[in-house]
Amino acid sequence: EAGVTQFPSHSVIEKGQTVTLRCDPISGHDNLYWYRRVMGKEIKFLLHFVKESKQDESGMPNNRFLAERTGGTYSTLKVQPAELEDSGVYFCASSRGTVYEQFFGPGTRLTVL
Amino acid sequence: QQQVKQSPQSLIVQKGGISIINCAYENTAFDYFPWYQQFPGKGPALLIAIRPDVSEKKEGRFTISFNKSAKQFSLHIMDSQPGDSATYFCAASNRGSTLGRLYFGRGTQLTVWP
Repeated sequence: EAGVTQFPSHSVIEKGQTVTLRCDPISGHDNLYWYRRVMGKEIKFLLHFVKESKQDESGMPNNRFLAERTGGTYSTLKVQPAELEDSGVYFCASSRGTVYEQFFGPGTRLTVL
Repeated sequence: QQQVKQSPQSLIVQKGGISIINCAYENTAFDYFPWYQQFPGKGPALLIAIRPDVSEKKEGRFTISFNKSAKQFSLHIMDSQPGDSATYFCAASNRGSTLGRLYFGRGTQLTVWP
């Protein structure tokens, strides 16, 4: 069974540019989570999808971040326009249900210059 | 406000020694406490987890100790090996009300010297 995959693994952009991160969850996992770790700090929750519906987006920093999960399969997280403080590692995780283990992808390291 | 506090930030242990990482939480509604292990270039992977109705859970060389009254829990790695060198994150969740959302500590970078 393939694990959670994320693309790209690294992204370096300039302030003001747009970046789109992609996450492919484990097949059959209805729950998809986005988290972010800023260097040296904790991994922080961003939002949670159940299928294509946003269940909780209380962790999204501001309206420059837009997450979608069309069709309830893969998800994208767009940052537009990117700011310096958006730099960090963005993780995606998926699970069969909210009481089940979350499986994490390898993350996308975003650097905003 | 950080919901889960983790210490130490880094830990160096000799092979065969015991590694101990501590976490504390404030929200008494948390009912699930997992530990994640992360190797460079990989995502966090579930190592071991405990629920608050037990005080200890052991899986091989890894043990979680849980103190509900003190709102603290810790990870003990017995007979630490160089292959255990990784970043460890404690986390907490209230699976009922927060739909599985995990609150993480800041992580502990463990280095085990051969």
